[in-house]
Amino acid sequence: EAGVTQSPTHLIKTRGQQATLRCSPISGHTSVYWYQQALGLGLQFLLWYDEGEERNRGNFPPRFSGRQFPNYSSELNVNALELEDSALYLCASSTGQEPKVYEQYFGPGTRLTVT
Amino acid sequence: KNEVEQSPQNLTAQEGEFITINCSYSVGISALHWLQQHPGGGIVSLFMLSSGKKKHGRLIATINIQEKHSSLHITASHPRDSAVYICAVEEVGSRLTFGEGTQLTVNP
Repeated sequence: EAGVTQSPTHLIKTRGQQATLRCSPISGHTSVYWYQQALGLGLQFLLWYDEGEERNRGNFPPRFSGRQFPNYSSELNVNALELEDSALYLCASSTGQEPKVYEQYFGPGTRLTVT
Repeated sequence: KNEVEQSPQNLTAQEGEFITINCSYSVGISALHWLQQHPGGGIVSLFMLSSGKKKHGRLIATINIQEKHSSLHITASHPRDSAVYICAVEEVGSRLTFGEGTQLTVNP
């Protein structure tokens, strides 16, 4: 079974540009989560999508946005990039079945560098 | 104060030693996850716990819901166990809150 995939692996942008990161969940998973791991900091929750809808959002400015497509893949868009947006962005997927407890399976991440 | 606290932050052990990493949390949770992060960022989910104890190979995870505490144990540690171990708690709304991680180095 293929795992969660993310693209690109690395992304280099300059301040003010926009970045688009992509995630494909495990087949059968309907929920996609985005996390940011900045250097020296722990993982921070960004966004949760399930069945095409945004279900929850972390404490990030509106220039962080995303969407989930009908095939459950997802994009994370970061507008007006700032230097502190440089981080590893991780995507995870799960079955999204509630109220059962479930696991989140993580992708390999996209390392975004803003110069 | 972080909602999820891990200790120690750094841990160096000799091959073969028994290792314990602790996690305490302050919020109500539906589950707790232990994650392993390798250099370069790859993350592997080790355990998901809502009660009791789970074992997988040389890894054991326990959780005490009343005390809001979990431990990850590694028996007969090996250099390939060197990684960052992250505790994460799952709250209402499927949101994970992460600890800062424990950097484990196992020397041969």
